[in-house]
Amino acid sequence: GAGVSQSPRYKVTKRGQDVALRCDPISGHVSLYWYRQALGQGPEFLTYFNYEAQQDKSGLPNDRFSAERPEGSISTLTIQRTEQRDSAMYRCASSSLSGANVLTFGAGSRLTVL
Amino acid sequence: ILNVEQSPQSLHVQEGDSTNFTCSFPSSNFYALHWYRWETAKSPEALFVMTLNGDEKKKGRISATLNTKEGYSYLYIKGSQPEDSATYLCAFEMYSGGGADGLTFGKGTHLIIQP
Repeated sequence: GAGVSQSPRYKVTKRGQDVALRCDPISGHVSLYWYRQALGQGPEFLTYFNYEAQQDKSGLPNDRFSAERPEGSISTLTIQRTEQRDSAMYRCASSSLSGANVLTFGAGSRLTVL
Repeated sequence: ILNVEQSPQSLHVQEGDSTNFTCSFPSSNFYALHWYRWETAKSPEALFVMTLNGDEKKKGRISATLNTKEGYSYLYIKGSQPEDSATYLCAFEMYSGGGADGLTFGKGTHLIIQP
Protein backbone atom coordinates (compact mmCIF):
# COMPACT_ATOMS: atom_id res chain seq x y z
CA GLY A 1 0.00 0.00 0.00
CA ALA A 2 0.89 3.66 -0.11
CA GLY A 3 1.60 3.91 3.60
CA VAL A 4 1.78 1.84 6.75
CA SER A 5 -1.72 0.82 7.74
CA GLN A 6 -2.71 -0.18 11.24
CA SER A 7 -5.97 -1.59 12.52
CA PRO A 8 -8.00 -1.13 14.52
CA ARG A 9 -7.37 2.59 15.04
CA TYR A 10 -9.11 2.43 18.41
CA LYS A 11 -9.75 -0.53 20.63
CA VAL A 12 -11.49 -0.49 23.99
CA THR A 13 -11.49 -3.76 25.84
CA LYS A 14 -12.13 -5.12 29.28
CA ARG A 15 -9.32 -6.29 31.48
CA GLY A 16 -8.52 -9.93 30.89
CA GLN A 17 -9.51 -10.00 27.22
CA ASP A 18 -7.05 -10.77 24.43
CA VAL A 19 -6.43 -8.21 21.69
CA ALA A 20 -4.76 -8.47 18.31
CA LEU A 21 -3.35 -5.41 16.56
CA ARG A 22 -2.51 -5.52 12.90
CA CYS A 23 0.15 -3.75 10.87
CA ASP A 24 0.28 -3.72 7.08
CA PRO A 25 3.64 -2.22 6.05
CA ILE A 26 4.55 -0.46 2.84
CA SER A 27 4.74 -2.99 0.05
CA GLY A 28 8.27 -4.31 -0.31
CA HIS A 29 9.49 -2.99 3.03
CA VAL A 30 11.62 -5.66 4.62
CA SER A 31 11.87 -4.40 8.19
CA LEU A 32 8.90 -3.94 10.49
CA TYR A 33 9.00 -2.46 13.98
CA TRP A 34 6.52 -2.33 16.82
CA TYR A 35 6.57 0.45 19.44
CA ARG A 36 4.19 1.57 22.09
CA GLN A 37 3.72 5.03 23.47
CA ALA A 38 1.90 5.78 26.69
CA LEU A 39 0.15 9.14 26.86
CA GLY A 40 2.69 11.94 27.22
CA GLN A 41 5.65 9.55 26.98
CA GLY A 42 8.17 8.78 24.29
CA PRO A 43 7.98 5.64 22.19
CA GLU A 44 9.11 2.35 23.72
CA PHE A 45 10.59 -0.26 21.41
CA LEU A 46 8.86 -3.65 21.54
CA THR A 47 10.16 -5.87 18.75
CA TYR A 48 11.16 -5.95 15.10
CA PHE A 49 11.27 -8.26 12.09
CA ASN A 50 13.40 -8.58 9.01
CA TYR A 51 11.22 -10.44 6.54
CA GLU A 52 9.40 -13.06 8.64
CA ALA A 53 12.19 -13.48 11.18
CA GLN A 54 11.80 -11.81 14.53
CA GLN A 55 15.17 -10.19 15.20
CA ASP A 56 14.76 -8.79 18.66
CA LYS A 57 11.94 -9.17 21.13
CA SER A 58 13.78 -7.86 24.14
CA GLY A 59 11.41 -4.93 24.40
CA LEU A 60 8.29 -7.03 24.87
CA PRO A 61 7.21 -6.25 28.44
CA ASN A 62 6.28 -9.82 29.44
CA ASP A 63 5.08 -13.12 28.03
CA ARG A 64 1.54 -11.83 27.50
CA PHE A 65 2.90 -9.96 24.50
CA SER A 66 3.78 -11.72 21.27
CA ALA A 67 4.21 -10.75 17.64
CA GLU A 68 4.36 -12.59 14.36
CA ARG A 69 4.92 -11.83 10.71
CA PRO A 70 4.44 -15.24 9.09
CA GLU A 71 4.81 -14.25 5.43
CA GLY A 72 7.14 -11.34 5.84
CA SER A 73 4.46 -8.75 5.20
CA ILE A 74 1.54 -8.16 7.59
CA SER A 75 2.35 -8.40 11.28
CA THR A 76 0.12 -9.02 14.27
CA LEU A 77 0.89 -7.93 17.82
CA THR A 78 -1.13 -9.96 20.32
CA ILE A 79 -1.67 -9.07 23.95
CA GLN A 80 -3.21 -11.79 26.06
CA ARG A 81 -5.14 -11.22 29.29
CA THR A 82 -4.92 -7.46 28.94
CA GLU A 83 -4.29 -5.27 31.95
CA GLN A 84 -4.97 -1.57 32.45
CA ARG A 85 -1.26 -0.78 32.26
CA ASP A 86 -1.31 -2.07 28.66
CA SER A 87 -3.30 1.00 27.62
CA ALA A 88 -1.20 2.93 25.13
CA MET A 89 -0.80 3.86 21.49
CA TYR A 90 0.76 0.92 19.66
CA ARG A 91 2.71 2.07 16.63
CA CYS A 92 4.13 0.14 13.76
CA ALA A 93 6.84 1.34 11.38
CA SER A 94 8.45 -0.18 8.34
CA SER A 95 11.56 0.44 6.30
CA SER A 96 13.36 -0.96 3.35
CA LEU A 97 16.89 -2.18 3.76
CA SER A 98 18.17 0.61 1.54
CA GLY A 99 20.98 2.84 2.74
CA ALA A 100 18.69 5.59 3.94
CA ASN A 101 16.64 3.21 6.09
CA VAL A 102 14.12 5.90 6.82
CA LEU A 103 11.21 4.64 8.88
CA THR A 104 7.61 5.21 7.92
CA PHE A 105 5.20 5.13 10.82
CA GLY A 106 1.62 3.99 10.80
CA ALA A 107 -1.04 6.09 12.50
CA GLY A 108 -1.14 3.72 15.44
CA SER A 109 -3.72 1.69 17.30
CA ARG A 110 -4.92 3.26 20.51
CA LEU A 111 -5.68 0.57 23.07
CA THR A 112 -7.71 1.33 26.16
CA VAL A 113 -8.11 -1.39 28.75
CA LEU A 114 -10.92 -0.77 31.21
CA ILE B 1 -4.56 15.73 11.84
CA LEU B 2 -1.40 17.38 13.16
CA ASN B 3 1.34 18.02 10.65
CA VAL B 4 4.87 17.61 11.98
CA GLU B 5 7.45 17.73 9.24
CA GLN B 6 11.16 17.20 9.32
CA SER B 7 13.68 18.06 6.67
CA PRO B 8 15.74 16.84 5.11
CA GLN B 9 14.63 13.22 5.21
CA SER B 10 18.22 12.02 4.87
CA LEU B 11 21.56 13.75 5.26
CA HIS B 12 25.15 12.69 4.59
CA VAL B 13 27.81 14.74 6.39
CA GLN B 14 31.58 14.47 6.47
CA GLU B 15 33.14 13.74 9.85
CA GLY B 16 34.14 16.97 11.53
CA ASP B 17 31.59 19.12 9.68
CA SER B 18 28.71 20.80 11.44
CA THR B 19 25.13 20.31 10.35
CA ASN B 20 21.57 21.23 11.18
CA PHE B 21 18.06 20.13 10.31
CA THR B 22 14.53 21.32 10.82
CA CYS B 23 11.29 20.34 12.47
CA SER B 24 8.13 22.29 11.65
CA PHE B 25 4.93 21.96 13.65
CA PRO B 26 1.60 23.71 14.21
CA SER B 27 1.99 27.15 15.77
CA SER B 28 -1.26 26.91 17.73
CA ASN B 29 -1.99 25.07 20.98
CA PHE B 30 1.71 24.53 21.55
CA TYR B 31 2.69 22.67 24.71
CA ALA B 32 6.19 21.28 24.09
CA LEU B 33 8.58 20.16 21.38
CA HIS B 34 10.69 17.07 21.91
CA TRP B 35 13.84 15.95 20.13
CA TYR B 36 14.94 12.30 20.16
CA ARG B 37 17.99 10.52 18.88
CA TRP B 38 17.06 7.11 17.60
CA GLU B 39 19.09 4.05 16.71
CA THR B 40 16.52 1.91 15.05
CA ALA B 41 16.19 -1.26 17.10
CA LYS B 42 16.28 0.63 20.35
CA SER B 43 13.98 2.98 22.16
CA PRO B 44 14.62 6.56 21.10
CA GLU B 45 16.85 8.54 23.44
CA ALA B 46 15.36 11.82 24.58
CA LEU B 47 17.62 14.77 23.80
CA PHE B 48 15.60 17.87 24.64
CA VAL B 49 12.16 18.97 25.73
CA MET B 50 11.53 22.59 24.83
CA THR B 51 8.56 24.56 26.06
CA LEU B 52 9.26 28.29 25.71
CA ASN B 53 9.52 30.38 22.59
CA GLY B 54 13.16 31.31 22.09
CA ASP B 55 14.40 28.34 24.13
CA GLU B 56 17.89 27.14 23.34
CA LYS B 57 19.10 23.85 24.76
CA LYS B 58 22.52 22.25 24.56
CA LYS B 59 23.87 18.77 25.26
CA GLY B 60 27.52 18.35 24.37
CA ARG B 61 27.93 19.07 20.66
CA ILE B 62 24.18 19.02 20.04
CA SER B 63 21.97 22.05 20.49
CA ALA B 64 18.44 23.06 19.56
CA THR B 65 16.42 26.23 19.16
CA LEU B 66 12.68 26.80 19.27
CA ASN B 67 10.35 29.29 17.60
CA THR B 68 6.78 28.58 18.66
CA LYS B 69 5.29 31.63 16.91
CA GLU B 70 6.33 30.43 13.49
CA GLY B 71 6.32 26.74 14.36
CA TYR B 72 9.84 25.48 13.84
CA SER B 73 12.81 24.09 15.70
CA TYR B 74 16.38 23.55 14.54
CA LEU B 75 18.73 20.86 15.76
CA TYR B 76 22.45 21.58 15.35
CA ILE B 77 25.36 19.17 15.59
CA LYS B 78 28.82 20.71 15.82
CA GLY B 79 31.87 18.76 14.63
CA SER B 80 29.98 15.60 13.59
CA GLN B 81 31.37 12.25 14.74
CA PRO B 82 30.53 8.75 13.45
CA GLU B 83 28.60 8.02 16.64
CA ASP B 84 26.20 10.83 15.73
CA SER B 85 24.84 8.67 12.91
CA ALA B 86 21.21 8.00 13.80
CA THR B 87 17.70 9.12 13.04
CA TYR B 88 16.70 12.34 14.79
CA LEU B 89 13.01 12.59 15.58
CA CYS B 90 11.05 15.58 16.70
CA ALA B 91 7.69 15.30 18.39
CA PHE B 92 5.05 17.95 18.93
CA GLU B 93 3.05 17.96 22.12
CA MET B 94 -0.24 19.82 21.85
CA TYR B 95 -2.04 21.59 24.65
CA SER B 96 -5.57 20.31 25.03
CA GLY B 97 -7.79 21.68 27.76
CA GLY B 98 -6.62 19.73 30.78
CA GLY B 99 -2.99 19.47 29.73
CA ALA B 100 -0.78 17.76 27.18
CA ASP B 101 -2.35 15.47 24.66
CA GLY B 102 0.28 13.01 23.54
CA LEU B 103 3.13 13.25 21.10
CA THR B 104 2.89 13.54 17.33
CA PHE B 105 6.14 12.49 15.73
CA GLY B 106 7.74 13.68 12.53
CA LYS B 107 9.21 11.10 10.20
CA GLY B 108 12.75 11.87 11.24
CA THR B 109 15.98 13.00 9.66
CA HIS B 110 18.36 10.13 9.01
CA LEU B 111 21.90 11.38 9.56
CA ILE B 112 24.90 9.48 8.21
CA ILE B 113 28.39 10.67 9.16
CA GLN B 114 31.02 9.69 6.64
CA PRO B 115 34.61 9.23 7.85
